[in-house]
Amino acid sequence: AQKITQTQPGMFVQEKEAVTLDCTYDTSDPSYGLFWYKQPSSGEMIFLIYQGSYDQQNATEGRYSLNFQKARKSANLVISASQLGDSAMYFCAMSLNTDKLIFGTGTRLQVFP
Amino acid sequence: GAVVSQHPSWVICKSGTSVKIECRSLDFQATTMFWYRQFPKQSLMLMATSNEGSKATYEQGVEKDKFLINHASLTLSTLTVTSAHPEDSSFYICSASFPGGATGELFFGEGSRLTVL
Repeated sequence: AQKITQTQPGMFVQEKEAVTLDCTYDTSDPSYGLFWYKQPSSGEMIFLIYQGSYDQQNATEGRYSLNFQKARKSANLVISASQLGDSAMYFCAMSLNTDKLIFGTGTRLQVFP
Repeated sequence: GAVVSQHPSWVICKSGTSVKIECRSLDFQATTMFWYRQFPKQSLMLMATSNEGSKATYEQGVEKDKFLINHASLTLSTLTVTSAHPEDSSFYICSASFPGGATGELFFGEGSRLTVL
């Protein structure tokens, strides 16, 4: 069965520091996609970054990078130079060969000055 | 990026009434939309896949007669919570696949918070 695991219910980071949010996944399908979404307190889901299972290089989008370790089945999100506005819930998600997403339980990130 | 809009953002209703939530793709056509439900401080759980012009596909454990989904056009899907009860109070959020995007690259609506009294 497919599963996404986020083991960190909450994380704290000081402004301007980098932070890593953990995500592991489980699937026997060789083709899959991994996503990170940000959900601020207002509720909307904001797409951050995508990594395909066949992508050779780690995905990067501005201050976001995805540390993809295929053998370990991990897809950690790294946020560099944290900003106060980064405080939110962060969800890791996986899709197989459909557009259905399976979400992890989320990590609440708090950035403090 | 692509825009998906939900309406209403907040709705409060009495127990036993029905509530309709709309999900629109504003600048693209979405043959497939998805409806998720999120309880407080929990993750998003997929309820159903809404397919334009055909019946929705419901996930296991989701009552299709309770949560009616209609996808009448390429830009609009509606979720109707019928005979709502307090346990239906939740955050409902829709998403749509962006044509040509990566598989699973979805754009989400702003969500609709339902409170049933």
